[in-house]
Amino acid sequence: DAGITQSPRYKITETGRQVTLMCHQTWSHSYMFWYRQDLGHGLRLIYYSAAADITDKGEVPDGYVVSRSKTENFPLTLESATRSQTSVYFCASKESGGQQFFGPGTRLTVL
Amino acid sequence: SQKIEQNSEALNIQEGKTATLTCNYTNYSPAYLQWYRQDPGRGPVFLLLIRENEKEKRKERLKVTFDTTLKQSLFHITASQPADSATYLCALLAGSQGNLIFGKGTKLSVKP
Repeated sequence: DAGITQSPRYKITETGRQVTLMCHQTWSHSYMFWYRQDLGHGLRLIYYSAAADITDKGEVPDGYVVSRSKTENFPLTLESATRSQTSVYFCASKESGGQQFFGPGTRLTVL
Repeated sequence: SQKIEQNSEALNIQEGKTATLTCNYTNYSPAYLQWYRQDPGRGPVFLLLIRENEKEKRKERLKVTFDTTLKQSLFHITASQPADSATYLCALLAGSQGNLIFGKGTKLSVKP
């Protein structure tokens, strides 16, 4: 299917566990982004990538790791999950100078 | 520090009226501003982009204005319908890599 997908859609984990959220886009967009959305904060940028093997920190990168070995994939890893990382995570992609296309989101709960 | 604010957390209006949402920013000189719609449980969906040299942009019942002197954008939905009920987000270009900074959103409810 064309578009941008995220998996899993829902995840419950425990404090201290490693969790990886997957993001896949079929448009070959150069840019990809990870956001988290929390009540009272809106959407905040975690990491972004301008191309394969190029990543950079956003507003709230602490506790997260990203990689981009292929243009179409941009996984986000929580190396040791904390309760404060309970959130809804959105992946997005775009070409230069334009709108961002968002995935459906992953709802992560850290117990 | 850079800041973007959407003045109302929630806006309730009657069907058929015009909804006007406000987005203000400080410490920016953005090349463009975007508006997105977000429905519950879904990702944001792009609606409109307006560049710094454009005063106004229209798309069907939507109209966006951009005043770089006031550092403000207004988003209007004319002849509003219950199906327009959603959260609307404004976003500014924050860097050269196309990363955006989003406002917290305004939840619009259109009552029949």
